Amino acid sequence: DVKVTQSSRYLVKRTGEKVFLECVQDMDHENMFWYRQDPGLGLRLIYFSYDVKMKEKGDIPEGYSVSREKKERFSLILESASTNQTSMYLCASTTTRDRYEQYFGPGTRLTVT
Amino acid sequence: AQSVTQLGSHVSVSEGALVLLRCNYSSSVPPYLFWYVQYPNQGLQLLLKYTSAATLVKGINGFEAEFKKSETSFHLTKPSAHMSDAAEYFCAVRAYSSASKIIFGSGTRLSIRP
Repeated sequence: DVKVTQSSRYLVKRTGEKVFLECVQDMDHENMFWYRQDPGLGLRLIYFSYDVKMKEKGDIPEGYSVSREKKERFSLILESASTNQTSMYLCASTTTRDRYEQYFGPGTRLTVT
Repeated sequence: AQSVTQLGSHVSVSEGALVLLRCNYSSSVPPYLFWYVQYPNQGLQLLLKYTSAATLVKGINGFEAEFKKSETSFHLTKPSAHMSDAAEYFCAVRAYSSASKIIFGSGTRLSIRP
């Protein structure tokens, strides 16, 4: 069974803080993704990575950065959190062999006050 | 550019009734289409996928979807709703701009009345 875990289910941070969201997958998947989920907007892709140290911007990368130093781990960084980054953040992974079945973590609900 | 439109942000049906969740796609090339489901407090999981083989696709938990090119639709159905089907459902399409990217619709929340 593929497992994607995220470091926190709930997180509360103050405006201006640097925030790290961690995602780990245990199936040796090449591709990893960060999405944010907002009511009425569905899932929007922030960044994705298709290999260690490789990254590509998604649809809404502004205000975010990512790091992938090891194959199993993909981190999302909010350099200076703002209230409009309050959201649910979902991590996903997939293998290049069957890249369309994405496996999701349970999500991190981030509140920035 | 590819996109999907889900008609109805919230659908409510009685237990035992037909479930119909609507999805229309926009794609200049033959699409790969998906339905994902998100149960409360969980991540998304794949329900079913269409990859240009049979137009009627069967998924998990009794759900199925039919690809209709003439209508650019990929509606999700289940003959008889169960209380455990209450969840949010997302239609999605493969993005040709990037090999691994999927574009999600805005989601439809399904409620089941006892």
